[in-house]
Amino acid sequence: QVQLVESGGGVVQPGRSLRLSCAASGFTFSSYAMHWVRQAPGKGLEWVAVISYDGSNKYYADSVKGRFTISRDNSNNTLYLQMNSLRPEDTAVYYCASGSEWQLLESCLDYWGQGTLVTVSS
Amino acid sequence: EIVLTQSPGTLSLSPGERATLSCRASQSISSSYLAWYQQKPGQAPRLLIYGASSRATDIPDRFSGSGSGTDFTLTISRLEPEDFAVYYCQQYDISGWTFGQGTKVEIK
Repeated sequence: QVQLVESGGGVVQPGRSLRLSCAASGFTFSSYAMHWVRQAPGKGLEWVAVISYDGSNKYYADSVKGRFTISRDNSNNTLYLQMNSLRPEDTAVYYCASGSEWQLLESCLDYWGQGTLVTVSS
Repeated sequence: EIVLTQSPGTLSLSPGERATLSCRASQSISSSYLAWYQQKPGQAPRLLIYGASSRATDIPDRFSGSGSGTDFTLTISRLEPEDFAVYYCQQYDISGWTFGQGTKVEIK
């Protein structure tokens, strides 16, 4: 069965960095686009970033562009999100999710992890 | 960037009733790249509908999606107790993978 397990969340001061990881299993990780989606406390879902199956294409929400970097290691079935210059408004649960269509960026998100909480506070 | 607006914000209904949720896009969504998700408190979202009208795996047939262009609808034909949750639409065109703000379906 498909499993996505996020890690790396925690409390961090504004302006500092944090790297999230998402360990994938149960499917051919290297064949699917992967996403990060976040949800601030009590708020709705906000799409953050996507990376193509081979890592050659990456897209970001305007709110994180230039500060966050998405990457992947297909040999270890792991997705990453490097978050720099963190702000209080980045406080959220961060979910990783897999694209539904083989090798396509334009696909919905069919499997989700349980999320990891990032709190940006002094 | 395509903006998705969901209505109503909250829907108060009783079990057994029909729920109709709306999602309107600020511009036409190509090839019906529109999905619906369900989220319950403390849980990750779950994919319900993709391609505007196709049910995801193991989704009961009381859930149905329709629409094209800029206007989309999620219908739950008869609400079961487990259907009370928040529902989000999402477009997954290459122009961006934006979500609507959500509709909460609560027990009346």
